[in-house]
Amino acid sequence: QQQVKQSPQSLIVQKGGIPIINCAYENTAFDYFPWYQQFPGKGPALLIAIRPDVSEKKEGRFTISFNKSAKQFSLHIMDSQPGDSATYFCAATTSGTYKYIFGTGTRLKVLA
Amino acid sequence: NAGVTQTPKFQVLKTGQSMTLQCAQDMNHNSMYWYRQDPGMGLRLIYYSASEGTTDKGEVPNGYNVSRLNKREFSLRLESAAPSQTSVYFCASTRQGRGTEAFFGQGTRLTVV
Repeated sequence: QQQVKQSPQSLIVQKGGIPIINCAYENTAFDYFPWYQQFPGKGPALLIAIRPDVSEKKEGRFTISFNKSAKQFSLHIMDSQPGDSATYFCAATTSGTYKYIFGTGTRLKVLA
Repeated sequence: NAGVTQTPKFQVLKTGQSMTLQCAQDMNHNSMYWYRQDPGMGLRLIYYSASEGTTDKGEVPNGYNVSRLNKREFSLRLESAAPSQTSVYFCASTRQGRGTEAFFGQGTRLTVV
């Protein structure tokens, strides 16, 4: 199964809050799990990515948690800011297949 | 460094008209992709080209054709546009290798009336 299921569809948090976005996958052949950030009128851009050989990766205020046995991964945004308001997509791919499978996206709004 | 460039940015078509969406990348990437983005549906793969000279169907190829003109350019053609093809179209590219970042263009907002 090639799907990547993402939740929630939308999320509103106060400034300083910690929004969490979750994704689940079925295909155990996936070996690269990126998160993309998209601002209105722009194309998605890579935010952070993880491979299944580690359980957590941090880059600045953004953290991916990865649970290989549960086939789930999540994005946490620490100390969220209004400038983080965007749509976030999780994705999964298998090296050599050239196919990126994207989740349905989460629209995040951070209130000032 | 322009990255991935898509033209046009906006287009309105009448049902049955044809058009070609253009995409070019200047990063010497081997693989290129066309996605469509619809509310609540995420990014769905239409066609991809793993390398120059090859193209393959993605998740939603019906009603579309593609051409990998050279390593830089990958075009998407709608032969007979339908209202169901109203969407935002994104071109993307990746270099070959394990765990690679996809670089996206700015998108083409297409409306079919």
